[in-house]
Amino acid sequence: DQQVKQNSPSLSVQEGRISILNCDYTNSMFDYFLWYKKYPAEGPTFLISISSIKDKNEDGRFTVFLNKSAKHLSLHIVPSQPGDSAVYFCAASAKAAGNKLTFGGGTRVLVKP
Amino acid sequence: EAGVAQSPRYKIIEKRQSVAFWCNPISGHATLYWYQQILGQGPKLLIQFQNNGVVDDSQLPKDRFSAERLKGVDSTLKIQPAKLEDSAVYLCASSSLRGTYEQYFGPGTRLTVT
Repeated sequence: DQQVKQNSPSLSVQEGRISILNCDYTNSMFDYFLWYKKYPAEGPTFLISISSIKDKNEDGRFTVFLNKSAKHLSLHIVPSQPGDSAVYFCAASAKAAGNKLTFGGGTRVLVKP
Repeated sequence: EAGVAQSPRYKIIEKRQSVAFWCNPISGHATLYWYQQILGQGPKLLIQFQNNGVVDDSQLPKDRFSAERLKGVDSTLKIQPAKLEDSAVYLCASSSLRGTYEQYFGPGTRLTVT
């Protein structure tokens, strides 16, 4: 049972445009959501997060939106830069489950110059 | 601040052989995690330690995988005997106890079982 899903395995976007990555979850116990970015041969690095009590969190070019009723979150990157080309993982956590992270399958983003 | 260290970075073994991975977390981080990431998938938690105690090992294949965190700092993950399906990247992560959900990952060990 895949509790966190990223249905788009890849995304290609022109430099300067917006990248929108989507993530769906099924477990209503999840109360914290994170996005990680991963370059080849490196471990995932934390990008941005959002608590379930909020519906938006912004950090520079990155904004995460949470729609609890739809069990959906999205990551917006604007403007997209070539250095943003990486695999992005959505992750969810539940305090009741000891804060362990459940990851989606990832979305590979390619930003074209 | 030094990041999470892992070694080796790459390992190739034959099936039925054994292998061990080492992780040194960020200094002061009480919680340590081992994840398995199969190609094309997201990381899957194998085991979580808090200090030197196991918090969650529900997804660890205990017939062949074992892990320890002696003295609550470094950790080793062992596979014995390895199977072809164990080919993956093994990621170690750590986090502090201060209520943050944020985990910091090491570079991983890429294991190929032939």
